[in-house]
Amino acid sequence: GDSVTQMEGPVTLSEEACLTINCTYTATGYPSLFWYVQYPGEGLQLLLKATKADDKGSNKGFEATYRKETTSFHLEKGSVQVSDSAVYFCALSDFSQGGKLIFGQGTELSVKP
Amino acid sequence: NAGVTQTPKFQVLKTGQSMTLQCAQDMNHNSMYWYRQDPGMGLRLIYYSASEGTTDKGEVPNGYNVSRLNKREFSLRLESAAPSQTSVYFCASTQGYSFSLSYEQYFGPGTRLTVT
Repeated sequence: GDSVTQMEGPVTLSEEACLTINCTYTATGYPSLFWYVQYPGEGLQLLLKATKADDKGSNKGFEATYRKETTSFHLEKGSVQVSDSAVYFCALSDFSQGGKLIFGQGTELSVKP
Repeated sequence: NAGVTQTPKFQVLKTGQSMTLQCAQDMNHNSMYWYRQDPGMGLRLIYYSASEGTTDKGEVPNGYNVSRLNKREFSLRLESAAPSQTSVYFCASTQGYSFSLSYEQYFGPGTRLTVT
């Protein structure tokens, strides 16, 4: 079945460092891809999405490109802030599987001043 | 506009006890979902309701029941709690019917449940 694999955390960075969180997927159809963010004590919020190959999603300085050839959707940010500390979830939604959201295990990011 | 609200925020149960987790949304959304979040496993879908009056099983439905009381409310019931149900439970909603790819899911703040 469909699945999402993310790099394991926690990831600890200093403020203004570059961030990459790797995400790869397996899907039988043509999924849409998402990054959700969960700040401490809160629910998940959609950060960005891409619905077809080569699309780039971007929001709040984060971006991710839908790479069909490598089945990847890595999350990147050029300069992280302390306020970016959160858990990041990669997810896919595959219409051929009923469109359900399938999540990766989450990657915790901690940014130190 | 409160979005998606969940009650309670925290709950401790003994094995065999029952309880209902409440979820409500004020965005006039059609579809609602219940997920559980466990360490290292991401979120897994328990049940969902594509529209008022319908409910369907997700990936991990065993030990749970749901009720879509009206368009706003979607409750999750544990009839006989087990330690394996210790988890954080999230409710979500989306505007579209079922899992429309163009509609974002909005999540509540979660209920942290411990079963001893």
